[in-house]
Amino acid sequence: DAGVIQSPRHEVTEMGQEVTLRCKPISGHDYLFWYRQTMMRGLELLIYFNNNVPIDDSGMPEDRFSAKMPNASFSTLKIQPSEPRDSAVYFCASSLPWRGTDTQYFGPGTRLTVL
Amino acid sequence: QQQVKQSPQSLIVQKGGISIINCAYENTAFDYFPWYQQFPGKGPALLIAIRPDVSEKKEGRFTISFNKSAKQFSLHIMDSQPGDSATYFCAASRRSQGNLIFGKGTKLSVKP
Repeated sequence: DAGVIQSPRHEVTEMGQEVTLRCKPISGHDYLFWYRQTMMRGLELLIYFNNNVPIDDSGMPEDRFSAKMPNASFSTLKIQPSEPRDSAVYFCASSLPWRGTDTQYFGPGTRLTVL
Repeated sequence: QQQVKQSPQSLIVQKGGISIINCAYENTAFDYFPWYQQFPGKGPALLIAIRPDVSEKKEGRFTISFNKSAKQFSLHIMDSQPGDSATYFCAASRRSQGNLIFGKGTKLSVKP
């Protein structure tokens, strides 16, 4: 298995532009997570899905952020409009149905820079 | 409280020494405590995990010690090697929920 796939790996954009991050989870995994990592705030959970349904989006910072999972093999995280404070590394992770011992497998991340 | 507090923020250890990273949690409903390891430019990866029905779990040079009454758990890396240099995150969760609560991370540097 190729693992969790994220694209793009790096994104540089200007303030006010729309940014779309993409994720392909590991086949057969029912849970998908979006995280944001910064030096100041560490690793923050933004939203997670179970069977394509959003379960908890309380970590989404504001209305500028939205996430979708149209099918079991694809998810997007969109920021519109982007701001410099959104600069961070965004990780997608997936896991099997949660039984307390299941591992979350992280993708390589997308490094976003908003100028 | 959902918070998991991790210390120290950074750690420098000589090759062959013992690295110790500590975490404390508030929510007594947590019942799964994993440690993740992250190398620069990579995503975090599961290193070792423990459930609160045991006080210690060992896998090779890595050991988790768990103190349920104190609501603390720690990662011990024996015979630390330069290849162990990475950022380590503790985390906690409830089996009934799908999400992990991560600590802020500890950057470990092992000097040759």
